[in-house]
Amino acid sequence: AQSVSQHNHHVILSEAASLELGCNYSYGGTVNLFWYVQYPGQHLQLLLKYFSGDPLVKGIKGFEAEFIKSKFSFNLRKPSVQWSDTAEYFCAVKPDAGNMLTFGGGTRLMVKP
Amino acid sequence: EAQVTQNPRYLITVTGKKLTVTCSQNMNHEYMSWYRQDPGLGLRQIYYSMNVEVTDKGDVPEGYKVSRKEKRNFPLILESPSPNQTSLYFCASSPPGRLDGYTFGSGTRLTVV
Repeated sequence: AQSVSQHNHHVILSEAASLELGCNYSYGGTVNLFWYVQYPGQHLQLLLKYFSGDPLVKGIKGFEAEFIKSKFSFNLRKPSVQWSDTAEYFCAVKPDAGNMLTFGGGTRLMVKP
Repeated sequence: EAQVTQNPRYLITVTGKKLTVTCSQNMNHEYMSWYRQDPGLGLRQIYYSMNVEVTDKGDVPEGYKVSRKEKRNFPLILESPSPNQTSLYFCASSPPGRLDGYTFGSGTRLTVV
């Protein structure tokens, strides 16, 4: 079975700072990778996804993520965060051949205005 | 509008009183799933269903039941709720094959006293 680790549980940044949230997974086969965002009091929304091809994936709201296969990583980045990016971020992994989506423990981001 | 609808949004109940949380999707998705979200643990899968009359256990199925009599509905049943089932629950659905990410419901916050 696959597993996902998000090592940063809480991150506090000032507006305009750069963001990088770590995500590592363990699974021996081909995977699909996702980042979801959950704004306070809301449900999860898809930020970006990787299935194949260019390992640098661009998502909504200026977010991007890079899949590094050799490191089993899919880190999320944003060059300049805004106060409205305050939310919890979840990395998720799905085996390419299956439907089970496994989530990491989440990273709670607070952006100070 | 394509969506996953959960009801109720909030529920407070007492230990041992059976309850059902409903989930319905209007996208004709084969795959549906229930997750619970707890601080620091991310989302953990309770049960999933690949199609009508096909259900299987996720990572934390104890104390829960599901049914999938129709494609659009996937209710979560707690026969005898206990305080450790106090959590935020999400239903999700997706089309078959290579996922384009799940569509999540708005969540049900359950408190068992």
